Amino acid sequence: QITLRESGPSLVKPTQTLTLTCTFSGFSLNTNEVGVAWIRQPPGKALEWLALIYWDDDKNYNPSLKSRLSITRGTSTNQVVLTVTNMGPVDTATYYCAHLIITHGSCPDYWGQGTLVTVSS
Amino acid sequence: QSVLTQSSSASGTPGQRVTISCSGSRPNIGSNFVYWYQQLPGTAPKLLIYRTDRRPSGVPDRFSGSKSGTSASLAISGLRSEDEADYYCATWDDSLSAVVFGGGTKLTVL
Repeated sequence: QITLRESGPSLVKPTQTLTLTCTFSGFSLNTNEVGVAWIRQPPGKALEWLALIYWDDDKNYNPSLKSRLSITRGTSTNQVVLTVTNMGPVDTATYYCAHLIITHGSCPDYWGQGTLVTVSS
Repeated sequence: QSVLTQSSSASGTPGQRVTISCSGSRPNIGSNFVYWYQQLPGTAPKLLIYRTDRRPSGVPDRFSGSKSGTSASLAISGLRSEDEADYYCATWDDSLSAVVFGGGTKLTVL
């Protein structure tokens, strides 16, 4: 059974860097064709894909946010970390991590429950 | 503005068949599998359709997906009140090297 859970601060100040951790179980990021992605959703708005990391450490980023994003493996083998620099009010959103398989099209299949991050001074 | 275009709303009565469309272009829908998600209020998106027309186990066969050229569709037959939700399409975009989502369609069951 694949599960994912996001963790991190619920409140950050403008200009700060956000660090979120995705802790997962039921699969290994060392398995061929597997990846983990981050997606966010501002309140009342649409989903926005942010980044993904593949089993071979290849990475892709949303072109419009690429300069502010970094996705890496965590210190534990079952973790992926997303950092977003220079946070602003428009970055207030629920952040989701998700599992994907590249040969299925690299879109998420299993999602975490999400974590709401508010940017405010 | 989303790369994939969806109507902002759709509606139907119980038992009806409704179709939600998703319009893209050659680098995305025209070249890759399409995914569909259902999002109930306050919850994470749930996978409905993957690889354009396949249903995960547990998803009723009332839900079906298809694609023609650079457009994709999600059909829901035998509409039920619990189908009232937001629906999103998604696919990989070869030009952007990124996943792109539609803007979402809010389905109302009258």
